[in-house]
Amino acid sequence: DIQMTQSPSSLSASLGERVSLTCRASQDIGSSLNWLQQEPDGTIKRLIYATSSLDSGVPKRFSGSRSGSDYSLTISSLESEDFVDYYCLQYASSPPTFGAGTKLELK
Amino acid sequence: QVQLVETGGGLVRPGNSLKLSCVTSGFTFSNYRMHWLRQPPGKRLEWIAVITVKSDNYGANYAESVKGRFTISRDDSKSSVYLQMNRLREEDTATYYCSSGYYAYWGQGTLVTVSA
Repeated sequence: DIQMTQSPSSLSASLGERVSLTCRASQDIGSSLNWLQQEPDGTIKRLIYATSSLDSGVPKRFSGSRSGSDYSLTISSLESEDFVDYYCLQYASSPPTFGAGTKLELK
Repeated sequence: QVQLVETGGGLVRPGNSLKLSCVTSGFTFSNYRMHWLRQPPGKRLEWIAVITVKSDNYGANYAESVKGRFTISRDDSKSSVYLQMNRLREEDTATYYCSSGYYAYWGQGTLVTVSA
């Protein structure tokens, strides 16, 4: 199975700050990576698909990128509703696998 | 708008069975492969099963952790996908989610607790 190593596991940041989360794939996954957001009540929403495509309705402060086997989610200016959990998901190879998650906390 | 609603979770004894349902609306269900995933308390999400569309003969694939115990199925006439879970174990305790296609849409989840 492809291992997705997500970092950091938690991040403390301030409103308006720019932050980046990263997932490193253990094998080549091309562009087959999504970023998901999970609310405290368990609600899951896809933010980014195919590494860098923004889902409809997702604010433009979210962006995705790739550098080699490292995939990043960047939030350009944090707003209060962004302080939740984030997961990467690779779907290049079965089984699809997830990162361990990043908990974004308000400083 | 798109909705996915899972039902059927609850408390079950180890070794028993449970069937989850996911009723969908707002998109052309028959065109999309459908997935079941789960998240044990405090842990990462885990993909467990997928079912393809009619043109792919409704093929199914499973995670090793559930293969031989869980069965995914679908009813396109009801825009629904199901997960039959047999021989449940305590480690199957999790919130179970259905999701469509390339994980664009998700249900709210249903909690399954396996405990004696």
